[in-house]
Amino acid sequence: ETGVTQSPTHLIKTRGQQVTLRCSSQSGHNTVSWYQQALGQGPQFIFQYYREEENGRGNFPPRFSGLQFPNYSSELNVNALELDDSALYLCASSSTAGSPLHFGNGTRLTVT
Amino acid sequence: DQQVKQNSPSLSVQEGRISILNCDYTNSMFDYFLWYKKYPAEGPTFLISISSIKDKNEDGRFTVFLNKSAKHLSLHIVPSQPGDSAVYFCAAFTTGGGNKLTFGTGTQLKVEL
Repeated sequence: ETGVTQSPTHLIKTRGQQVTLRCSSQSGHNTVSWYQQALGQGPQFIFQYYREEENGRGNFPPRFSGLQFPNYSSELNVNALELDDSALYLCASSSTAGSPLHFGNGTRLTVT
Repeated sequence: DQQVKQNSPSLSVQEGRISILNCDYTNSMFDYFLWYKKYPAEGPTFLISISSIKDKNEDGRFTVFLNKSAKHLSLHIVPSQPGDSAVYFCAAFTTGGGNKLTFGTGTQLKVEL
């Protein structure tokens, strides 16, 4: 069984740039969520996709957007990067609503 | 507004002893609680969960206790092992609210030989 995989593992961007992070869900999982974990904090919910539709969003501005593809892989896009966007971005998948999330190892984004 | 709180940023325990990690929440709509463990450079790994209709759930060395009236839960690890050294996150969600987890800030557990 393949787990959740994320790419890239590390990324350095400049303020104002745009970034795309990628995630492959665990096999059989049709729900994917994205979380942002700032240093010293717990993961914060960004949004969730189910069958290619966004079906939940946390307190993040519209410059954070996402996609889920028919094979249930997903992308997180962040436009107009700010220094505070520097964080670990975690992707998680689950098979049904309410079942435990399985997380990938994350993408460490640094904005300079 | 921190709806899930872990007030102890770190905990040090000797191998073989009990580790008790605590978590408090403020949102009474939460009805499902989970604990995740996180090693450096890895994503969080699901450990154990409990529904609000229960007050205890046990899985091997791990037991989670829920006190709804106090809005408090705890994770007991016994006996503690060096491999348990990690950051432990408490998380909660509301059934019907999708899988949106609200996490605490984590407790760094160190199990010493």
